[in-house]
Amino acid sequence: AQSVSQHNHHVILSEAASLELGCNYSYGGTVNLFWYVQYPGQHLQLLLKYFSGDPLVKGIKGFEAEFIKSKFSFNLRKPSVQWSDTAEYFCAVGMDSSYKLIFGSGTRLLVRP
Amino acid sequence: EAQVTQNPRYLITVTGKKLTVTCSQNMNHEYMSWYRQDPGLGLRQIYYSMNVEVTDKGDVPEGYKVSRKEKRNFPLILESPSPNQTSLYFCASRSGKGAQYFGPGTRLLVL
Repeated sequence: AQSVSQHNHHVILSEAASLELGCNYSYGGTVNLFWYVQYPGQHLQLLLKYFSGDPLVKGIKGFEAEFIKSKFSFNLRKPSVQWSDTAEYFCAVGMDSSYKLIFGSGTRLLVRP
Repeated sequence: EAQVTQNPRYLITVTGKKLTVTCSQNMNHEYMSWYRQDPGLGLRQIYYSMNVEVTDKGDVPEGYKVSRKEKRNFPLILESPSPNQTSLYFCASRSGKGAQYFGPGTRLLVL
């Protein structure tokens, strides 16, 4: 069965540190890839998405992600985190022509001031 | 403004008392779905709908019903709620293979 793995469940960083959150999926066909962010007490918001073309995708708030097809990965990065980036981050994958998105279990990021 | 709305936002009920959580989207999206979010489990899909009158089970459909009589609305029905359905529920809509938009969430407590 298709699955999405986020290996880091909890990440704690200090402000200005660099961030990389891992996301791997198990599917050999065409994929659409997404990262969502959920700030405390709020709903999920789209950070960035990849459909095709340049595998390095830039999103909002300085986030970017790189699609590496050979590794089935779509890792999220930010060069310098801020306290306001404290949130839970979800990777999601859409496969071939399916409308369904499969979500990872999420990574809770805490940024210390 | 493009949005997905849910009501109510917070609900406390008792075991066995039927309830409905409404969901509405104004983006003319074909695809709508319901998720529940529980600590450590991420988002799990309950039901989804490809279009009007077309619904199907997601990963955790037991104890839930849905209907899609109009394109914009996709209510979630709990005929006989139980404590294990205490959770945070999100409705979402999507057009084609584009990004999925989420509602603000409904926090449900079943006593």
